[in-house]
Amino acid sequence: DTGVSQDPRHKITKRGQNVTFRCDPISEHNRLYWYRQTLGQGPEFLTYFQNEAQLEKSRLLSDRFSAERPKGSFSTLEIQRTEQGDSAMYLCASTHSGLTDTQYFGPGTRLTVL
Amino acid sequence: AQSVTQPDIHITVSEGASLELRCNYSYGATPYLFWYVQSPGQGLQLLLKYFSGDTLVQGIKGFEAEFKRSQSSFNLRKPSVHWSDAAEYFCAVGAYNQGGKLIFGQGTELSVKP
Repeated sequence: DTGVSQDPRHKITKRGQNVTFRCDPISEHNRLYWYRQTLGQGPEFLTYFQNEAQLEKSRLLSDRFSAERPKGSFSTLEIQRTEQGDSAMYLCASTHSGLTDTQYFGPGTRLTVL
Repeated sequence: AQSVTQPDIHITVSEGASLELRCNYSYGATPYLFWYVQSPGQGLQLLLKYFSGDTLVQGIKGFEAEFKRSQSSFNLRKPSVHWSDAAEYFCAVGAYNQGGKLIFGQGTELSVKP
């Protein structure tokens, strides 16, 4: 059973460095979402893609954040000039296009900014 | 504004006892509602979902939830808790008019006493 995968699972970086995370959705899933989860909180929506098109970005996604989904397959989330406040779990989810379809989540990438 | 409230941050129950986790939502239209469970180091796993129809929804692992429109609630229940149910539980509403993104509550951590 191939679910949603994320790489890396853990990332420790120094403040000011750039980091990039990758998400591989379930094949044939058209929609891909990114969420951020801080300690003791529920996940918060960051952005989502319909195939290769990025259709919405949350206000949480500052200019230092960029996401791509080339060819509508895997997606990357890049954070430039990381800050300590960026420390969080970054979750990826995928689903078919239907709005009632279940979102399947990956295990997440835990980012620690020192 | 759309929101989900889980009033209980932490609940402890004895193994074999019944469980009810509370969830209240605020949404301008008929909501799509979800319960997810997150174990340490694991991604979010869907327990159950409600879109329409019967307001009592059955899920995996013996969980059920009841949608009560008049109370804007979607409480999760289980008649007999097992030690393996210890985890973090998240209620979410699907914003189907905003690309289907999920809006999560802050979560309820469940501990199970032997």
